[in-house]
This record gives sequence, C-alpha cells and structure tokens, in this order.
Amino acid sequence: DVKVTQSSRYLVKRTGEKVFLECVQDMDHENMFWYRQDPGLGLRLIYFSYDVKMKEKGDIPEGYSVSREKKERFSLILESASTNQTSMYLCASSLFGVGQQPGLRIFGPGTRLTVT
Amino acid sequence: DAKTTQPTSMDCAEGRAANLPCNHSTISGNEYVYWYRQIHSQGPQYIIHGLKNNETNEMASLIITEDRKSSTLILPHATLRDTAVYYCIVRYNFNKFYFGSGTKLNVKP
Repeated sequence: DVKVTQSSRYLVKRTGEKVFLECVQDMDHENMFWYRQDPGLGLRLIYFSYDVKMKEKGDIPEGYSVSREKKERFSLILESASTNQTSMYLCASSLFGVGQQPGLRIFGPGTRLTVT
Repeated sequence: DAKTTQPTSMDCAEGRAANLPCNHSTISGNEYVYWYRQIHSQGPQYIIHGLKNNETNEMASLIITEDRKSSTLILPHATLRDTAVYYCIVRYNFNKFYFGSGTKLNVKP
C-alpha cells in the first residue's frame, strides 16, 4: 500500500526553537508539498519541490525553509518557532508529467504542532 | 479562491447512498474536478476525479453535469467510517490547491 509518512503526529515546542518536520514517501514521486491547515483558512501551501534539491515557495513561505536531499524525503524547517506557527502540518506527494494528474495528491497523516 | 460551493453539512443514514453536491460554475474547459475527504485529525484522502464523463471507482461515483458547472459525489452505501469532511476541488494551477470549506457528512446508525 503506497503511503506518505510523517515523523510525528503530535509535537510540542517552545518559542524560538528550531523545529524539523520530516516527510517520507515510498511511491517514487517527483513532487512533494508542505501545507499547513488552520480552521477557517483551509490548506495553505508553504513550499513544494519538483525534484531533488529543487524547491519553490508557496503562498506562505515566511518563517519556513525546506530541504530535499533525497527523492523520497522532504523536510520542513521552522528556523525559530513562533506561536503563530501552531498548526496542523500536512505533507503530500504527487506524480507529475505528461499524462499525469497534477491534482492528485497523496497526503500524510499530518503533524499537529503546538508552539508554546 | 476555492471556486467551488458546497453545503456546510449533510446527514445520511448508514447503508443508504450519500449524494454530495458541488457547484463550480466558473470551471474552465481543461480543469478537472477532484474530490477528497478528511476524517477528523487525519490527512486528506483522495477519492476520485473527473473532467467530463462520469467516473466510478471502488470508493465512489462522480457525476458531472453536461455543462460542467456542478457535480455530485455518490457514496453508494455509506458506513459510519465515511463520516468526514468532503472537499470538491477545481485545480487551476499546479501549486494552487484550495480545499475550500467542504461538506461535513454525518453518517448515522
């Protein structure tokens, strides 16, 4: 069964800490995404990557960075966590190319991050 | 801009068909309709997608009107495990993927 896994389901961090969220997919997908989900705001794209070492900013990249050193792994980094980064973080992957469905996303279970 | 309109909530009796409507009147000719659902505190799950023709898979059926301005997701025999928020999505850019507010489906015994 194909899947996307995330390193933690629940995480509690203090303001100012550096936070790493890891995502791994086993489907050999080129594209990986990081979203955050907040009540009333839906899913918002933070960053995405279409290849190893490639990254593109999404709608809300401020305060975040990403790393993709291997095809199967996409990391989200909060350089200095703040309380307004308390949220549900969702990783997703998709296959992209001619004839593929770029709207098809496989999501991970999510990480609920609380910054205190 | 989610570009879709869905009812806020719906109820369905267990074992009956659940029909979830979605309006997407501004859809353009090459935009697909995707349906996802999200069970509480879990990541969204892909259900089905379509362009013009009706589609069916092991989870659901998707009926798209001829003018493509609306669609209906059908869960043929709803179970309690189908209780979730269902999102109708029209993707118009690779990195724009707006889930909107969705429909909260309550399946009742």
